[in-house]
Amino acid sequence: QVQLQESGPGLVKPSETLSLTCTVSGDSINIHTWNWVRQPPGKGLEWIGCVYYNGNTNYNPALKSRVTISGPTSKNQVSLRLNSVTAADTAVYYCARAAAGRTDFDSWGQGTQVTVSS
Amino acid sequence: DIQMTQSPSTLSASVGDRVTITCRANENIASWLAWYQKKPGKAPKLLIYKASYLESGVPSRFSGSGSGTEFTLTISSLQPDDFATYFCQQYSSSLLTFGGGTKVEI
Repeated sequence: QVQLQESGPGLVKPSETLSLTCTVSGDSINIHTWNWVRQPPGKGLEWIGCVYYNGNTNYNPALKSRVTISGPTSKNQVSLRLNSVTAADTAVYYCARAAAGRTDFDSWGQGTQVTVSS
Repeated sequence: DIQMTQSPSTLSASVGDRVTITCRANENIASWLAWYQKKPGKAPKLLIYKASYLESGVPSRFSGSGSGTEFTLTISSLQPDDFATYFCQQYSSSLLTFGGGTKVEI
C-alpha cells in the first residue's frame, strides 16, 4: 500500500523559502502524478501544483511565480519550494497522488504544518 | 478559473439521517468531479471520483451523482464516523479547484 510522508521545517521566516519533501513508499513513483495541496487554518483546500511522472509540472497560476515542484527522484521523492513566503502561506501542506490515468487524489500524506513567522 | 460552490456550508444531522451535499461549478465540468472527506488532523480521503464512482474501500452508504454543473454527495444513513468536512474538487481544467467545504456536525 502506498504511503506518502511530508517532511521539512515547521517554521519559516517571512520572505524566506519554504522547502518540503514528499517521500513515497510502497509504490512506483515514476508512473503517477504527484500533487501539493495546502489548507490554511480555518480555510479550505488549495491546490498548489503537480509534477508528472516525466518531470513536467503544472502550477496554480496564483502561486506560479513563487513555486517550484521537482522530482520524481531515484530516492522516491518529490519536492516543493515556495519562495518569498508571508503569513498567508501558513498552512498544513499535503502531498497527494493522482494515480496513472486519473486526476483525482487517491492517496494523501498526513500533512505537515508550516508556520510563517519571524 | 472554475469556481466550485458547495452548499450548505454547515449541516446539522443525526445518526441514521440521509444527508445530501451539493456542489455547483460555474461552468460545465462534465463528470470530472471528486468528493473527499476531511477530519481534523487527518489527511483527506477520496470517496467518489468521476462524479459517481465509489472509491475502493469506501462504504456503499456514500454515493455521488450529477454531471455538467451540479453534483451531489449523498450519505444514505449517517454513521458516527461520518461527522467530518466534505470537499468537492473539479479536475476538468488544468487548474484544479476545490469547493469551500461542508461541515457535517451533530
